[in-house]
Amino acid sequence: DQQVKQNSPSLSVQEGRISILNCDYTNSMFDYFLWYKKYPAEGPTFLISISSIKDKNEDGRFTVFLNKSAKHLSLHIVPSQPGDSAVYFCAARSGAGSYQLTFGKGTKLSVIP
Amino acid sequence: DTAVSQTPKYLVTQMGNDKSIKCEQNLGHDTMYWYKQDSKKFLKIMFSYNNKELIINETVPNRFSPKSPDKAHLNLHINSLELGDSAVYFCASSQSIGGGTEAFFGQGTRLTVV
Repeated sequence: DQQVKQNSPSLSVQEGRISILNCDYTNSMFDYFLWYKKYPAEGPTFLISISSIKDKNEDGRFTVFLNKSAKHLSLHIVPSQPGDSAVYFCAARSGAGSYQLTFGKGTKLSVIP
Repeated sequence: DTAVSQTPKYLVTQMGNDKSIKCEQNLGHDTMYWYKQDSKKFLKIMFSYNNKELIINETVPNRFSPKSPDKAHLNLHINSLELGDSAVYFCASSQSIGGGTEAFFGQGTRLTVV
């Protein structure tokens, strides 16, 4: 049973436009959400996170939005750059003190020059 | 300087063999993990160690045995390798207290069992 779902396996965006990656979750115990970026043959790299007590967190070109009532979060990248082309994983933690992250399946973003 | 390093990067071996993957982190973190990314691309946690103590042991065959000689190392031993063990294995670390929740990942070890 997938507790973290990324329903779009891939996304193509023109350079300079906005990329929106979506993530849905089912476990209401999740209290912290993270986005990771992964290039081929490399490990996932932490990108941005958000606590469940917030609805928005911004870091440069990256913004994560959280809608707790809908159990939905999204990552916005604006403007998108070719170097952003990678697989993006959504992850969630179930409660403070939990050591476990539950990952989605990932969305492959391609930014077209 | 590589924060989380794992070796080897690629490992090809025959069924029935025993192999080990090593992991080291130089971040001073107190928690280390092993994740498995299978053919369907899911990243799933296998084990978690906090201060050398096993915290999480997901439903993993007992052919897989993690060993943590110290806080900076978490090695993965796999006995009697099977075809289904072929996957990419990621080591990771994080700081449980005083640090962020984010885990830092190694580059992965692609294990192919033939």
